[in-house]
Amino acid sequence: GENVEQHPSTLSVQEGDSAVIKCTYSDSASNYFPWYKQELGKRPQLIIDIRSNVGEKKDQRIAVTLNKTAKHFSLHITETQPEDSAVYFCAASTTGRRALTFGSGTRLQVQP
Amino acid sequence: NAGVMQNPRHLVRRRGQEARLRCSPMKGHSHVYWYRQLPEEGLKFMVYLQKENIIDESGMPKERFSAEFPKEGPSILRIQQVVRGDSAAYFCASSPQSSLMSSYEQYFGPGTRLTVT
Repeated sequence: GENVEQHPSTLSVQEGDSAVIKCTYSDSASNYFPWYKQELGKRPQLIIDIRSNVGEKKDQRIAVTLNKTAKHFSLHITETQPEDSAVYFCAASTTGRRALTFGSGTRLQVQP
Repeated sequence: NAGVMQNPRHLVRRRGQEARLRCSPMKGHSHVYWYRQLPEEGLKFMVYLQKENIIDESGMPKERFSAEFPKEGPSILRIQQVVRGDSAAYFCASSPQSSLMSSYEQYFGPGTRLTVT
């Protein structure tokens, strides 16, 4: 089955800096890659996603890139703010099997 | 426009009791997924259901766990004879019924935090 690895496990940046979180996946049939933000004690929130027919997608300060050949995708957050502090999860799924396989999460801390 | 709803939000059970977790999907959504999150860990898929059908239960433990999504009413995740290792947050997610790729977006409920004493 699918295996998703996520790095780093923790990331501390200064307010205004950029943050990058990377994930790799094992199943070449995976074609949907969402990113979720989870604050302490809260639900995972879908913040951005990308499909395998697209190499990059941007939404304001966040962007996601996908390299199908290397089977990895990344989340980029620019101009980080303290409210960006949370745990971020990447995930992958394939057409027909909608179950999401999640990475282990990255705890992002933005220092004011 | 209500999002995914789950109840109860917190549930305490003694070892050996039964736990019933409920999930109402977003309006217009007919696909329901259950995930389990252990403390300080990621989410693990358990089961995927549509109305009156279990589509994929590959992540569900073979014993003590069952799920249903009846024609009327919420989806239910049932854990019989709970053990301390069942203590976790259980999240439900839903997605719309469509063949479009946008239907793969899953929106999560607030979760049920189960504590087994």
